[in-house]
Amino acid sequence: DTEVTQTPKHLVMGMTNKKSLKCEQHMGHRAMYWYKQKAKKPPELMFVYSYEKLSINESVPSRFSPECPNSSLLNLHLHALQPEDSALYLCASSQSVGTVSREQYFGPGTRLTVT
Amino acid sequence: DAKTTQPPSMDCAEGRAANLPCNHSTISGNEYVYWYRQIHSQGPQYIIHGLKNNETNEMASLIITEDRKSSTLILPHATLRDTAVYYCIVRVPNTGNQFYFGTGTSLTVIP
Repeated sequence: DTEVTQTPKHLVMGMTNKKSLKCEQHMGHRAMYWYKQKAKKPPELMFVYSYEKLSINESVPSRFSPECPNSSLLNLHLHALQPEDSALYLCASSQSVGTVSREQYFGPGTRLTVT
Repeated sequence: DAKTTQPPSMDCAEGRAANLPCNHSTISGNEYVYWYRQIHSQGPQYIIHGLKNNETNEMASLIITEDRKSSTLILPHATLRDTAVYYCIVRVPNTGNQFYFGTGTSLTVIP
C-alpha cells in the first residue's frame, strides 16, 4: 500500500469556523508533511513531523495548527482563516532515515475555500 | 539551499522523447536531485532521483552531468498522460527530508 489519503477532498469554510484536515498513511513512514499550493504555483512547505514530533515550522501563522496523534495520522486544524488561505493543501509522507534521501509520497490534497 | 532553474514550459510530440532540463549550479556534494510531476489538481508524483550516476526506472531516465550542475529528465516515449508540471528539486541536507519546490516546467504532449 503506497497510498496517502486525505479527507475531505473539498472544504468550504467561513472565516469564523474551526475545521480540520486529515491525512493518513499506512506505509510505516515516520516523516509527514503539510504543503500549501496556490493556483498555478508550486507547493510550499508548511510543517514537517519526524517521529510524531514537529521538526519544521516554516513560519506558518498560528491559525494553522498541526497535530500528529500517531505515526499514521496527521491533522491540520484550521481556525479564523482568511480568504487568502484558500488553496490546495497537500499531505506527504516519507521514510525518515537519518540523512539518507527518501522520496515523498503525496496525497491528492484538500481543496480549501475560505469565504 | 541549492536552487533549481527550469524552463517554464515545453511541448513534445506524442511518441517522441521528452527531455526536460534543470540547472542546479550551487548543488553541494551530498545533495540529491529529485524529479516529481503534478498532473492538474492532483498531488505531486515521485518520478526518479539520483546523486551522481545516471538512473533509470520504469517511468524515466535521469542524466546528471559530471559536475552535477545540471540534469535532464528523459521520458522516452511521451504520451498525452505525461502532460503535467515537472519539478526538479534538490534536497536540503542535514535538516530532514523536506523538499522545496521550484517553479517547474509545464510539459504539454501534443497529439
